[in-house]
Amino acid sequence: GENVEQHPSTLSVQEGDSAVIKCTYSDSASNYFPWYKQELGKGPQLIIDIRSNVGEKKDQRIAVTLNKTAKHFSLHITETQPEDSAVYFCAASIQTSGSRLTFGEGTQLTVNP
Amino acid sequence: DGGITQSPKYLFRKEGQNVTLSCEQNLNHDAMYWYRQDPGQGLRLIYYSQIVNDFQKGDIAEGYSVSREKKESFPLTVTSAQKNPTAFYLCASSLMPQGIRSTEAFFGQGTRLTVV
Repeated sequence: GENVEQHPSTLSVQEGDSAVIKCTYSDSASNYFPWYKQELGKGPQLIIDIRSNVGEKKDQRIAVTLNKTAKHFSLHITETQPEDSAVYFCAASIQTSGSRLTFGEGTQLTVNP
Repeated sequence: DGGITQSPKYLFRKEGQNVTLSCEQNLNHDAMYWYRQDPGQGLRLIYYSQIVNDFQKGDIAEGYSVSREKKESFPLTVTSAQKNPTAFYLCASSLMPQGIRSTEAFFGQGTRLTVV
């Protein structure tokens, strides 16, 4: 089955700096790659996603890149703010299994004021 | 408001007892999922259902059971056979993918189960 690895497990940045989280996946059939943000005690919320026919997608301060050849994708957050502090999860979905998502292990991002 | 609701938020169970976690959605989604979250291990799939009266085991189904009698409801029972049930449980739902497009999964706020 699909295996998703996520790095780093913790990331601490100063307010205003950029943060980058990287994920790799194992199954070349995966075609959907969402990123979720989870605040303490809450359920994850989708912040951005990318499909395999696109190499990059941007939404204000958040961007995601996908390299299908290398089977890795990354989340980029620019001009970080304290409210960006949370756990971020990447995930991958294989078309033939519907929307069943395989998640990375998460990155605890801390933005220091 | 449309959404996915889990209840209760906190649940305490004595060892050896079964307990059922509720998950309801009014998004008219076909698919529903249960995930377990432990510190440092991300989200692991327990069970999922793509249609009413049908469900499949995920990666860690042992010690759990589910039912899908209604489209909007997907309760999870943690049985006494689950050896380490203390965890944060998350329910999610999504539209079934149309063609090649996988769709967003919406999560509930979670239920924290503690075995005492």
